[in-house]
Parts: sequence; C-alpha cells; structure tokens
Amino acid sequence: GAVVSQHPSWVICKSGTSVKIECRSLDFQATTMFWYRQFPKQSLMLMATSNEGSKATYEQGVEKDKFLINHASLTLSTLTVTSAHPEDSSFYICSARGLRTGELFFGEGSRLTVL
Amino acid sequence: QKEVEQNSGPLSVPEGAIASLNCTYSDRGSQSFFWYRQYSGKSPELIMSIYSNGDKEDGRFTAQLNKASQYVSLLIRDSQPSDSATYLCAVRARGGADGLTFGKGTHLIIQP
Repeated sequence: GAVVSQHPSWVICKSGTSVKIECRSLDFQATTMFWYRQFPKQSLMLMATSNEGSKATYEQGVEKDKFLINHASLTLSTLTVTSAHPEDSSFYICSARGLRTGELFFGEGSRLTVL
Repeated sequence: QKEVEQNSGPLSVPEGAIASLNCTYSDRGSQSFFWYRQYSGKSPELIMSIYSNGDKEDGRFTAQLNKASQYVSLLIRDSQPSDSATYLCAVRARGGADGLTFGKGTHLIIQP
C-alpha cells in the first residue's frame, strides 16, 4: 500500500508555543490530505481537509486560526498548532487518499504534549 | 449529521474462534466502507474495504455489507492474540470528496 510519513512522531512543548507537524506521501502524489485528532479512548475526529494549492476546509468547531494547514506541494502537508495549550495535547494523524481506490492511508501519527 | 456506531466492547474471543465485529451507519448515501485496525498508541492500519453488498474475503478476514440495513461487519477467522486491537469502522459518503467518518471502535481481546 501507499506510504505516508509523519514527523515528528512525538513532541513536548511549553504552553504558548507553536508546533509544526509534517505529513508526506512518499510514493504517490496526494492532491488531498486529511488531518485527524484522536483523544485517549476516543475515535478519530476529522479536523480539516487539506487541498494542494488552495485553502484547507475545516470541520465545524475547529479553529482555522489556531490549526494552520499548508499544502504547498503534492507530497507535503503541514499542520501548525499555534499558541498551544494543554487541552491541545492529543494524537494528531494525517492521511492521504490513494488515487485508484480512494482508500485512506495514515501516517504514523504525532503525539503532542503541551505542558 | 453522519454517524457511525460501533459497540465499544471489550469483545473477548478465545484464540482460534471467529471474532465478529459490527457497525451501523446513518447516512444512506454512503458508498465506501472500511475497516481499520489500531493498536494502542499507533495510527490506524487498513484491513478491508468494501463497496458493494455482499461478502468480501481476504485471508482470515471477511467484510460483509448490507446497504439496505445500513450495516457492515468484519469477521476474523482463526483469531490470534496478535489480532487484539481496536477495530475502527469508517464510512465515506457519496462523492468521495470528504474524509472518512469513523466509529469509536470496538476493542477486541483474543484470549490465548
């Protein structure tokens, strides 16, 4: 299957700082990538849809000014958590859709801990 | 609002038996259905996809879809301890432009 790489896999930061998470499709071009967030013992919640070359589409309740998404190329999307607070601590997972079948392939996830 | 419902479990199954995982969805326009396996602390891994009514088999896994009943299931034959994980049901609406809607997952435990 397609490979999606996510970096960093874990990060600890101080409250008020910003953190950038990268998502790369390694062996295919992804015009659309998706960012999910998962709290402990909860399911994945879609945060936003990232489209190459255009603005991201955010789900209801997700602050676009806090979670900045950039999809500058067909293989890279980034999520920046700005002015992070402890309640932003979560497991952030990106995914990209396979072009042929529409199956979603996930990155390894990034665990963010805000102190 | 689109909803995907799963029994959270835990579902405990003896090793070697068949594990049956169930999922219902609310959006009748849903077209694509997926089962993902997620180990604790890891990201989901695609197990099966199914797009039309009936059964689809892949090794020890069988996905079953009934669009009229808005029901999709996953059977795991000859369950192994390594199958112990949370299984997420995911659904995509007609058109395919949206990200998947996930259920909360069923925690499966295979007892040696």
